[in-house]
Amino acid sequence: DAKTTQPNSMESNEEEPVHLPCNHSTISGTDYIHWYRQLPSQGPEYVIHGLTSNVNNRMASLAIAEDRKSSTLILHRATLRDAAVYYCILRDVAGSGNTGKLIFGQGTTLQVKP
Amino acid sequence: EAGVAQSPRYKIIEKRQSVAFWCNPISGHATLYWYQQILGQGPKLLIQFQNNGVVDDSQLPKDRFSAERLKGVDSTLKIQPAKLEDSAVYLCASSSSRRRGDTEAFFGQGTRLTVV
Repeated sequence: DAKTTQPNSMESNEEEPVHLPCNHSTISGTDYIHWYRQLPSQGPEYVIHGLTSNVNNRMASLAIAEDRKSSTLILHRATLRDAAVYYCILRDVAGSGNTGKLIFGQGTTLQVKP
Repeated sequence: EAGVAQSPRYKIIEKRQSVAFWCNPISGHATLYWYQQILGQGPKLLIQFQNNGVVDDSQLPKDRFSAERLKGVDSTLKIQPAKLEDSAVYLCASSSSRRRGDTEAFFGQGTRLTVV
C-alpha cells in the first residue's frame, strides 16, 4: 500500500487560510490523492481528491506538485468547525488485484483558534 | 440521499461475550468496508466487500471476527468472543465502485464498543 506522511498536528487562526501538507514520494501513476477529515465523534467525511491537476470544490482546494510526490490541502478561511483530523490517502484501483481500499494513516490534527 | 446507517451507536459488553454490528450502505453502492478505529489512531480496514463477495479480509482477526453481506446490501460484523483490546469504534463505509479511483467513500457514524 502506498504510504503518505503528514505532520501530526497544526494550528491555525480562525478566518485565516490553512495549508495542510502531505508527502507521498512512492506514489504510482494510477494513484488518486484523496483527502478525508474526521470531526470529533464522527465518521470520516470526504473532502476532495485529484490525480494530476489542482482541484477546487466548495470545501477546499487541492494543490498537487508537478512530480506528484506531494500535495497540499488548502482551507481558504478556517472556521472553528474545521477543527478535525485530516487524512491524506492514496487510492489505486488500476490493475488486477487492486481493491480500491482506503488506507488511513495517523493524519494531521488541525486546531483552529478563535 | 440517505447516508450509511449503522446500529447500535453504543455497546458495552463483558469480555468473552459476543456482539454484532449492523450496517446499511447507501443504496446502489457495491463496495462496503468495515474499519476499526482505536482511540487516537486512524481507521484500520478490517474487511472489504464487493457486492456479496469478500475482496480483502487480510486484516480481519478471523479467529474471533466474522462478517457477511448477504444479498450484497446490508452487512453484519460479529465478534465472538470479545477481548478488552476490541474496544474501539467500528465504522462502516460504502462506495459506488472499487475500480474507480475518483469515487468517494461515505462513512457511517460508527458503533462505539466498550469491552469491560
